[in-house]
Amino acid sequence: GDSVTQTEGLVTLTKGLPVMLNCTYQTTYSPFLFWYVQHLNEAPKLLLKSSTDNKRTEHQGFYATLHKSSSSFHLQKSSVQLSDSALYFCALKNYNQGKLIFGQGTKLSIKP
Amino acid sequence: DPKIIQKPKYLVAVTGSEKILICEQYLGHNAMYWYRQSAKKPLEFMFSYSYQKLMDNQTASSRFQPQSSKKNHLDLQITALKPDDSATYFCASSQDRGTDQDTQYFGPGTRLLVL
Repeated sequence: GDSVTQTEGLVTLTKGLPVMLNCTYQTTYSPFLFWYVQHLNEAPKLLLKSSTDNKRTEHQGFYATLHKSSSSFHLQKSSVQLSDSALYFCALKNYNQGKLIFGQGTKLSIKP
Repeated sequence: DPKIIQKPKYLVAVTGSEKILICEQYLGHNAMYWYRQSAKKPLEFMFSYSYQKLMDNQTASSRFQPQSSKKNHLDLQITALKPDDSATYFCASSQDRGTDQDTQYFGPGTRLLVL
């Protein structure tokens, strides 16, 4: 069945450093990929989305490129801030289906 | 103003009891969803509705019953509550299910604790 894998459970970084959070997926259909960010005790909020192969998408300093050849949609930022500390979820949706399939999530913790 | 309202914010229930979680969206969306988040499973899809019709059901237990009285309402009735039902339940909505514009927006959640 369809699935999403996020390999890092916890990433701890110092402010100002770059970050990459890994996301790979499995599906036999044409995928839509999403990144959601969830701050403590808040709802998940959409950060990025893409269904276009090899096209970089950016928002709020974060960026990701969907690579269908490697089934990946890694999230990157060149310089993390304290406010980036949160839980990040990669999610997959197939066309004509309603459900989002979420990865396990990566907790990003930024130190001063 | 919040666009997706979930009530109550917190809920404590006794094992075996029944509760209803309320969700209303004011985004003009045609599709609504329920997800569950617990320590064991981070974000798990439960149901999707489109134009008040059930489209996807990923919940094995019949104890969970979605109810849509209006297009912008999707409540979740949970019967015979168990401690394992303790989780945060998120309602979400999107313009149209299964299309390119199917970006889902989440409500603030209802945190349920079953004792």
